[in-house]
Amino acid sequence: DQQVKQNSPSLSVQEGRISILNCDYTNSMFDYFLWYKKYPAEGPTFLISISSIKDKNEDGRFTVFLNKSAKHLSLHIVPSQPGDSAVYFCAASLQNSGYSTLTFGKGTMLLVSP
Amino acid sequence: DSGVTQTPKHLITATGQRVTLRCSPRSGDLSVYWYQQSLDQGLQFLIQYYNGEERAKGNILERFSAQQFPDLHSELNLSSLELGDSALYFCASKLQGALTGYTFGSGTRLTVV
Repeated sequence: DQQVKQNSPSLSVQEGRISILNCDYTNSMFDYFLWYKKYPAEGPTFLISISSIKDKNEDGRFTVFLNKSAKHLSLHIVPSQPGDSAVYFCAASLQNSGYSTLTFGKGTMLLVSP
Repeated sequence: DSGVTQTPKHLITATGQRVTLRCSPRSGDLSVYWYQQSLDQGLQFLIQYYNGEERAKGNILERFSAQQFPDLHSELNLSSLELGDSALYFCASKLQGALTGYTFGSGTRLTVV
């Protein structure tokens, strides 16, 4: 049973436009959510996170929105740049004594065309 | 360079064989996590160690085992390999209590032929 779902395997966006990547989760106990970005032949790198006590977190061009009632989060990238082309993973965790493990979605491949 | 070092980067081996993947965590990080990424799958959590002790287990097969040594490096042992074990294996480390998530290594690509 997949607890974190990214239903769009891929997304194509033009440079300068907004990219919106979506993620749904089923476990209401998750209390911390993260987005990771992965380029080919590299490991995932941390991008942005949000605690369940917030509904929005912004870092430069990246904003994550959390809708707890819908068990849904989204990552907005504005404006999108060709260098943003990568696979984006959504992840969720239970902050449990600091030993929390992350549950990942399958990822969404974003392609930003010039 | 993320600070998490994984060796080897690539490994090709035959079915039935045994391999060892190695991970050195970022300096100061006590927690090590192993993840597997197969085709069409996300990152599947395998196992976590904290300061030499096993802390959590995920979808790790009985043919797989891991350990973390006193110098904090970790090894993932995969035995009786099957074609379906072909995947990217990632190691990640984290400072205890840090909310910024893991730092991943660049992975080991295992191909079983």
